[in-house]
Amino acid sequence: DVKVTQSSRYLVKRTGEKVFLECVQDMDHENMFWYRQDPGLGLRLIYFSYDVKMKEKGDIPEGYSVSREKKERFSLILESASTNQTSMYLCASNYRGMNTEAFFGQGTRLTVV
Amino acid sequence: RKEVEQDPGPFNVPEGATVAFNCTYSNSASQSFFWYRQDCRKEPKLLMSVYSSGNEDGRFTAQLNRASQYISLLIRDSKLSDSATYLCVVNQAGTALIFGKGTTLSVSS
Repeated sequence: DVKVTQSSRYLVKRTGEKVFLECVQDMDHENMFWYRQDPGLGLRLIYFSYDVKMKEKGDIPEGYSVSREKKERFSLILESASTNQTSMYLCASNYRGMNTEAFFGQGTRLTVV
Repeated sequence: RKEVEQDPGPFNVPEGATVAFNCTYSNSASQSFFWYRQDCRKEPKLLMSVYSSGNEDGRFTAQLNRASQYISLLIRDSKLSDSATYLCVVNQAGTALIFGKGTTLSVSS
């Protein structure tokens, strides 16, 4: 069974804190993604990575950075958390190529107070 | 223009009904197409891929019309357990999956 594991289900952080969200996959997938999901807005892409140390900005990268030092791990960093970053964060991964299924982690519900 | 557009619903149907969801995409270079299902407070999971020739999986049928840049999902004989949000997803080779906002289905007895 493919597993995409996110480090936390729920997080509460204070405004201004640096926040790390970790994601690990065990299927040797080349691609990894970070999305956030908000009511009425759907899933919006923050960043994705198609290889180790490679990253591409998605639709809403402002206020976020990412790190991919190893193939199996993709970290999302909130440099200085703000209340408008309160959201559900979803990590996903898949193989490179066409028609490849993406597998999601269980999500991290982040609340910034 | 949004890249992937779906009618958000909600679609409220009785058990046994047939329901159809539609989706349009703006990028003609899109190469892969999917329907994902997301249950409340859960992560999205693949329901089915969508091919130009159309494909069927039990009560579910997906169709792709590349000329019109249109994808559809048909659910026959709806079950209570079909209640969920259905996400239309497209991507081009080498880029990330782009999701529609989802269509909510509620099946009642």
